[in-house]
Amino acid sequence: KAGVTQTPRYLIKTRGQQVTLSCSPISGHRSVSWYQQTPGQGLQFLFEYFSETQRNKGNFPGRFSGRQFSNSRSEMNVSTLELGDSALYLCASSLSAGGEYYSYNEQFFGPGTRLTVL
Amino acid sequence: GQSLEQPSEVTAVEGAIVQINCTYQTSGFYGLSWYQQHDGGAPTFLSYNALDGLEETGRFSSFLSRSDSYGYLLLQELQMKDSASYFCAVIAPEGAAGNYGQNFVFGPGTRLSVLP
Repeated sequence: KAGVTQTPRYLIKTRGQQVTLSCSPISGHRSVSWYQQTPGQGLQFLFEYFSETQRNKGNFPGRFSGRQFSNSRSEMNVSTLELGDSALYLCASSLSAGGEYYSYNEQFFGPGTRLTVL
Repeated sequence: GQSLEQPSEVTAVEGAIVQINCTYQTSGFYGLSWYQQHDGGAPTFLSYNALDGLEETGRFSSFLSRSDSYGYLLLQELQMKDSASYFCAVIAPEGAAGNYGQNFVFGPGTRLSVLP
């Protein structure tokens, strides 16, 4: 079974530009979560999508947005890039159906997209 | 709000046993998971505890005490390849719509160095 794939793997942008990152989850996984990883802040949760709906959102400004398609593939968009947005952006997929009585399903992480903002 | 604390660094020698602690403060709690991340790699799942007690998976074990808001990851028979960062993560019910969905909050990570 193929793992989680993310494209592109590396990206260099300048301040003020916008960027779109893509994530293809493991086949059959309907939940996709996005994280930002930086040396100073660690792994921070951005948002989670399930069945094309955003179920959860972390504490990030509105410049960070995402969406999920009917085939569970997800995209993340960052507009008006700032220097501080330089980070590794990780996507993770799981089978999770959510809810209070759900069974935990481990998250499978993709290799990440390394974004550098100049 | 939610916050997790872990030691920033731990060093041990091959063959030893090491324990990485995690304390958390969350407004809701489903369970605690642990992930390993090698330099330049993606995090990979190690374990999950929803109930109090010890879960064992090979050389790795994970413990949870919900009443103490505390958990730990125990690594036995350390090998050089265990040198990596280890993250605890709380799975909490905070969501965009009431109690639906899940929210992950990761700890700052513990860098484990295994020496020969």
